[in-house]
Amino acid sequence: AQTVTQSQPEMSVQEAETVTLSCTYDTSESDYYLFWYKQPPSRQMILVIRQEAYKQQNATENRFSVNFQKAAKSFSLKISDSQLGDAAMYFCAYWDSNYQLIWGAGTKLIIKP
Amino acid sequence: DGGITQSPKYLFRKEGQNVTLSCEQNLNHDAMYWYRQDPGQGLRLIYYSQIVNDFQKGDIAEGYSVSREKKESFPLTVTSAQKNPTAFYLCASTWGQGAADTQYFGPGTRLTVL
Repeated sequence: AQTVTQSQPEMSVQEAETVTLSCTYDTSESDYYLFWYKQPPSRQMILVIRQEAYKQQNATENRFSVNFQKAAKSFSLKISDSQLGDAAMYFCAYWDSNYQLIWGAGTKLIIKP
Repeated sequence: DGGITQSPKYLFRKEGQNVTLSCEQNLNHDAMYWYRQDPGQGLRLIYYSQIVNDFQKGDIAEGYSVSREKKESFPLTVTSAQKNPTAFYLCASTWGQGAADTQYFGPGTRLTVL
């Protein structure tokens, strides 16, 4: 069964600096999708970025980018120029071919002003 | 504005009661999902529906029931058989019938058993 592991329960970063959140997954499939979602204190789940496994190019959305290492089954999220509004829980998720998203336990990101 | 609404925001249940959580979307999405979120854990899938009048069990369906009579609506009933229902419940939807599409989420319902 596919699993998603986020090994950092909590991370902190100084405002305006860069932080990287880790995610590893386990799968035997070759074609799949990976996601990073953000859940701020309001608890509204918001998509941050999405990566398709067949694309070698790392996805980027403004200050958010991923480092996708397919062979290593690693999918880390880099946040550049951190802002106070980035403070949230960040969840990594893997799309299962049974039409399910498999979720990691989350990383709490704290932004220090 | 298109989106997903969930009601109520907070819900309190007495032991032995069934309660129903509402989820409505006006995004014209085909697929809808119910998740449960507990502190320190990721989301766990309760039920999902890819089309009207059809739904599938997720990993933790025991003690829950759903219906999908309309494309826009996917209510979740938490029955008295669910032994530990206190949690945050999130509803989501996707355009296509596969979860590879981006899932859009509602604001959630916090259920507390008294």
